[in-house]
Amino acid sequence: KQEVTQIPAALSVPEGENLVLNCSFTDSAIYNLQWFRQDPGKGLTSLLLIQSSQREQTSGRLNASLDKSSGRSTLYIAASQPGDSATYLCAVDTGTASKLTFGTGTRLQVTL
Amino acid sequence: DAGVIQSPRHEVTEMGQEVTLRCKPISGHDYLFWYRQTMMRGLELLIYFNNNVPIDDSGMPEDRFSAKMPNASFSTLKIQPSEPRDSAVYFCASSPTTGGKNTGELFFGEGSRLTVL
Repeated sequence: KQEVTQIPAALSVPEGENLVLNCSFTDSAIYNLQWFRQDPGKGLTSLLLIQSSQREQTSGRLNASLDKSSGRSTLYIAASQPGDSATYLCAVDTGTASKLTFGTGTRLQVTL
Repeated sequence: DAGVIQSPRHEVTEMGQEVTLRCKPISGHDYLFWYRQTMMRGLELLIYFNNNVPIDDSGMPEDRFSAKMPNASFSTLKIQPSEPRDSAVYFCASSPTTGGKNTGELFFGEGSRLTVL
């Protein structure tokens, strides 16, 4: 059974810092990996989707990497801003039509 | 597009009552998913549909839970009878296909927060 772990569970950084969020998964036979953002009381917004054949994806200040063999992914956020404060979740797709397994998330707070 | 629309946003009910949650997926999306989120268990997939047909309901916790998708623009998740341990946020999500293949990208609604007293 696929298990997804995110470390740390919570993180607080001052504005402007670069930061890395970590995600690990136990079964490397994945179809893709996604990073989501969840604001309090809201749904999830997809940030980046990395196919199993890819090593990384970039969108603006966000960069996600994928190392299937080691079962790891990182989400790098450059020049953090208070608006980045949210919970970030990673999810792996085992290839059965988006049957995602989610991690428990990292709650990020960016302070002024 | 308005995105995935869920109703109600909040529901408070008493144990034993029937609860019906509703979802309107994004037009043209062929896949629809129901997830449940709790503090203890995180996000769990309950059931998903492809072209209105239930494909995998192995995540539905008990027979008290049922889901239907009568047409491409509407789905319901029903709990009957409800119990306090069903209290959670229930999310609906939809996903498009390209060339007949699921893209893997999910679009979530804002969720229905259920409290069973």
